Formats: sequence, C-alpha cells, structure tokens
Amino acid sequence: QSVVTQPPSVSGTPGQRVTISCFGSSSNIGKNALNWYQQLPGAAPKLVMYRNDQRPLGVPDRFSGSKSGASASLAISGLQSEDEADYYCAVWDDSLDFVVFGGGTKLTVL
Amino acid sequence: EVQLVESGGGLVQPGGSLRLSCSASAFSISNYAMDWVRQAPGKGLEFVAAITENRGSTYYADSVRGRFTISTDNSRNTLYLQMSSLRPDDTALYYCVQDMRNWGQGTLVTVSS
Repeated sequence: QSVVTQPPSVSGTPGQRVTISCFGSSSNIGKNALNWYQQLPGAAPKLVMYRNDQRPLGVPDRFSGSKSGASASLAISGLQSEDEADYYCAVWDDSLDFVVFGGGTKLTVL
Repeated sequence: EVQLVESGGGLVQPGGSLRLSCSASAFSISNYAMDWVRQAPGKGLEFVAAITENRGSTYYADSVRGRFTISTDNSRNTLYLQMSSLRPDDTALYYCVQDMRNWGQGTLVTVSS
C-alpha cells in the first residue's frame, strides 16, 4: 500500500478531458513539489509535469497540473489515442526521507 | 540530448551481488542529483536510491537500505548501484534517472535460483 494513492484506472473518449488524481499527506504532497510521469507500453517513463504545474519542453499544453493541500491532479484535455498510458505521480516524503510514487493510473482512450 | 545508458543487469542467485552502471552523456552528472528507480514485472515504479548533486547525501528506500549502495565516478560520468544480499523480490527493471527528470531505458535484474 503506497503512502501516495492514485485511482487504478481512468478512461475517456477522444477529445474529452480527463483528470488523474494523486492523494498524499502533510509529509509529502502537502509539503513538497510533485512530478508526473507518463509510461507508454514497453517504454521508459517520461516526465510530463514537474514542480506541480510546470510542463517540460515538448509536452503538449493539453497537459496541465495542479496541487491543493495534500492532493494533486494531472489533467489532459483534447484526449488523443496516443495519450493511452500509465501515469505516475512522485513526491519526496519528509517522514520517510525518500521519494514515493503513486501506484499508477492506467488511462484508456475508448 | 541527455542520454542515460544502464548496464550490468542479469541473472543472479539469491544472496548474490551485482553492480549496475549508468553511463551519462550530454551533461555532467556532477551537476545533478541522480537516482535509481525500479519496476518489478507488471508492477509500478519504486524509488530505490538517490545521491545529491554535491554527493554529500545518499537516500535509500527502506526495502534496500543496508544492502544497496549508490555512488558516482565523475571522471567516468557514471552512476553506480552496488547491490548485495539480493532477494527474489529485487527482480525488476532498474532505471537510472537524472534528477527525477530524464530516464534511461533500464537494465533487467533477475534474482532466482
């Protein structure tokens, strides 16, 4: 059981907007900046959001991030089939003294 | 373009040791924190170890602390993970990560008799 939790799966149709949530506590999300990673099937993870809401170069502006208190979310608008992947949040935990990952959310584009 | 190439994975018996390497290019690892993250087959991502950019501190997941050691060789621009007392649940694809941003393709470690 991870200290940071995500829904196991979300789905949407092309063009739709979906949100993936990440719930933590005051020792992790409530205190530190969070990253989001996209992992396509058979590939290494790729950073799609850092410091809660900063998009790396090359990541479409359809991706946006936010954080409030001890929870965070990644939103993907104008959903495309190429967005189908596993998404993970990651954040430093001050109590554990290491990075914790959410369990991952599988995004299915119907 | 940042490139991270892991090597050193393979099949090892329980209780054995292995050293993973991560060769970096297009940047100097001495200027960045570096991390190891693993992924067991069909499972999620798990932090393994990190080393700060000034090499003053290292951090380990509870599951590997005391068995794994992270280190760097700045002259070779290479990150290492020395693994000992390996267990079957250490079986995973091990990724080298630059400052939790850029990822290598991973090297597979299988612990089995």
